[in-house]
Amino acid sequence: DTAVSQTPKYLVTQMGNDKSIKCEQNLGHDTMYWYKQDSKKFLKIMFSYNNKELIINETVPNRFSPKSPDKAHLNLHINSLELGDSAVYFCASSRPGQKVTQYFGPGTRLLVL
Amino acid sequence: DQQVKQNSPSLSVQEGRISILNCDYTNSMFDYFLWYKKYPAEGPTFLISISSIKDKNEDGRFTVFLNKSAKHLSLHIVPSQPGDSAVYFCAASRYGNKLVFGAGTILRVKS
Repeated sequence: DTAVSQTPKYLVTQMGNDKSIKCEQNLGHDTMYWYKQDSKKFLKIMFSYNNKELIINETVPNRFSPKSPDKAHLNLHINSLELGDSAVYFCASSRPGQKVTQYFGPGTRLLVL
Repeated sequence: DQQVKQNSPSLSVQEGRISILNCDYTNSMFDYFLWYKKYPAEGPTFLISISSIKDKNEDGRFTVFLNKSAKHLSLHIVPSQPGDSAVYFCAASRYGNKLVFGAGTILRVKS
C-alpha cells in the first residue's frame, strides 16, 4: 500500500517529444507538489496544488503543465522536451494544516537524449 | 541564490559515534526547519523538524539544534548506525509555504 506513487519510474525519450508523469497519493492529503532535482542535487519546487487549485507556480517554462483531476492525483505534462529537462522529478503531498511536512514519491528519472 | 546551504557534501562516521550534519540559511524570515533523509532510488522521508521559537528538538537518536543568531541548524544522530547511511537534506519554510532545500549531505556510517 504505497503512500505516494509515481509512474513511470524511468523515462528515456528524445528531444522534442511530449511526455507525462503521473502521481497518485492514497493518504487523504489535500495538497500535492512537483519538485525537480537537478544535476546539482537541489530539490526545487515547481508547482503546488491544493484541492485541485494551483497555489504555487515557480518560474517554470510553460512547456510544463500540471493537471490535477482530483485531490489524489497530480500529473505533470512536458511539451517539447529539452536536454536540460533531464532530472529526477518528485511528487509529494501534505495533509491539511501541515504543508511543510511533505510525503514524497520515489521519483521519476527522466533522461532526454 | 541558495538560501539553504549544506556545505559538507559528505560525512563518514564510525558506527556508535555521533554524526553531526550542518545547515546554514540566509533568509531570516524562515520560521520552520526540517530534515529529510533519502535512500538511493527512493523519495525523501521526513525525519525531524523544529520551529524557530525553539532551539532544540529531540526524537529518539535524532536531535536538531537551531541557532537563529547564526542562522545555523544541525542534526545530531547518536549513536550512529549503518542503516543511517543516506543523504540528509535540510529544508526551510516561511509561514508554512514552500520548502527550500539544501543540496544534501551524504552520510556514511561504517561498521
